[in-house]
Amino acid sequence: ETGVTQTPRHLVMGMTNKKSLKCEQHLGHNAMYWYKQSAKKPLELMFVYSLEERVENNSVPSRFSPECPNSSHLFLHLHTLQPEDSALYLCASSQDRGYQPQHFGDGTRLSIL
Amino acid sequence: GDSVTQMEGPVTLSEEAFLTINCTYTATGYPSLFWYVQYPGEGLQLLLKATKADDKGSNKGFEATYRKETTSFHLEKGSVQVSDSAVYFCALSDGLESNFGNEKLTFGTGTRLTIIP
Repeated sequence: ETGVTQTPRHLVMGMTNKKSLKCEQHLGHNAMYWYKQSAKKPLELMFVYSLEERVENNSVPSRFSPECPNSSHLFLHLHTLQPEDSALYLCASSQDRGYQPQHFGDGTRLSIL
Repeated sequence: GDSVTQMEGPVTLSEEAFLTINCTYTATGYPSLFWYVQYPGEGLQLLLKATKADDKGSNKGFEATYRKETTSFHLEKGSVQVSDSAVYFCALSDGLESNFGNEKLTFGTGTRLTIIP
């Protein structure tokens, strides 16, 4: 069983649509993360949750809205996205905040039309 | 701020060739160093790590030694296989408090490796 599962694997949406990415971890971890992977750029850490508490990254536009209803599930709500938001979005988890390594899901490939 | 610099890809090698992927870093404090691997269509997986100077991380025939004097963590493998074709990411965690606490991983841009039979 995959430790960190992301759905959907691929998503195509228009700039005016609203959609959500889902992440679920089966590892009993307490911390979860959203990353953005763009071509030829380092991975960008977007959000961190620890025991459902969010740590903000002020550089992330408000059109990305995370939600963590419990320590096993993490969502990324998307609305009014821009073409430059097309990327691979990776979810990760770790035992606790500050603990390495992080375990990654396979990602959601997002394309904005 | 922290940064990780990896050799530019793509790298193409024949099977059984010797592999080196260079990685150098800049960090405050005493970072831990990691190599992650991303196979096609998958997320990142931890390949190996080292938490202090002169430590050697190893896994699946890959090795990397934490060199504090040269701020490097080069990845090596003596004989690569087709199944090693993937993107390899060098990363560090400096363990210092930040807006994200000390869980922040700083990644390099990745090096795509292709092994041909």
